[in-house]
Amino acid sequence: QVTLKESGPGILQPSQTLSLTCTFSGFSLSTYGMGVGWIRQPSGKGLEWLANIWWDDDKYYNPSLKNRLTISKDTSNNQAFLKITNVDTADTATYYCARIVGYNSGYYFDYWGQGVMVTVSS
Amino acid sequence: DIVLTQSPALAVSLGQRATISCRASQSVSISRYNLMHWYQQKPGQQPKLLIYRASNLASGIPARFSGSGSGTDFTLTINPVQADDIATYYCQQSRESPPTFGAGTKLELK
Repeated sequence: QVTLKESGPGILQPSQTLSLTCTFSGFSLSTYGMGVGWIRQPSGKGLEWLANIWWDDDKYYNPSLKNRLTISKDTSNNQAFLKITNVDTADTATYYCARIVGYNSGYYFDYWGQGVMVTVSS
Repeated sequence: DIVLTQSPALAVSLGQRATISCRASQSVSISRYNLMHWYQQKPGQQPKLLIYRASNLASGIPARFSGSGSGTDFTLTINPVQADDIATYYCQQSRESPPTFGAGTKLELK
């Protein structure tokens, strides 16, 4: 059974760094073709992809935020992480992590966490 | 970036067919793969995968959901619509990075 759960600070101030953790079970990020992605959704709005990390530690970022994002993983503890630097109110959203499958044939997000709400406010 | 265009809303009656479309700004097909996927999201919940690679039903998804299309035009069909299907539906492409999502189609009851 695949599960993912996000955790984060809840609220932070502008210019701070947002650190998010995705703790998952039911698969391993050391397995060929596996990946974890981060996607966010402002309240009442659509989905925006942020970053992916793959089993081989390959990383991809949304160019619109690339300079502010860092994705990483801890395979031994079944966790993935996302850091966003210099946050502002536009980063207020629900942040999801999701498992990625289909590495060589058009990947997709087959299991999603429940999401963690993050508010940036002074 | 590949832009995915969806109609904002669709009103249907229970028991009828719902057809939700997604148009890509360029082809999302490569070789034999159509790299378009569909998700359902209910209020307060995370998205759920329904269809992958245009026409493949995800695990545990009822057979009343189906997907079709290739190139730039894709369709998600729900037939017949049940009350539990009232949600917002998103398409997503993985032909090119960054992967992009449509803005979503909100399925409403007529």
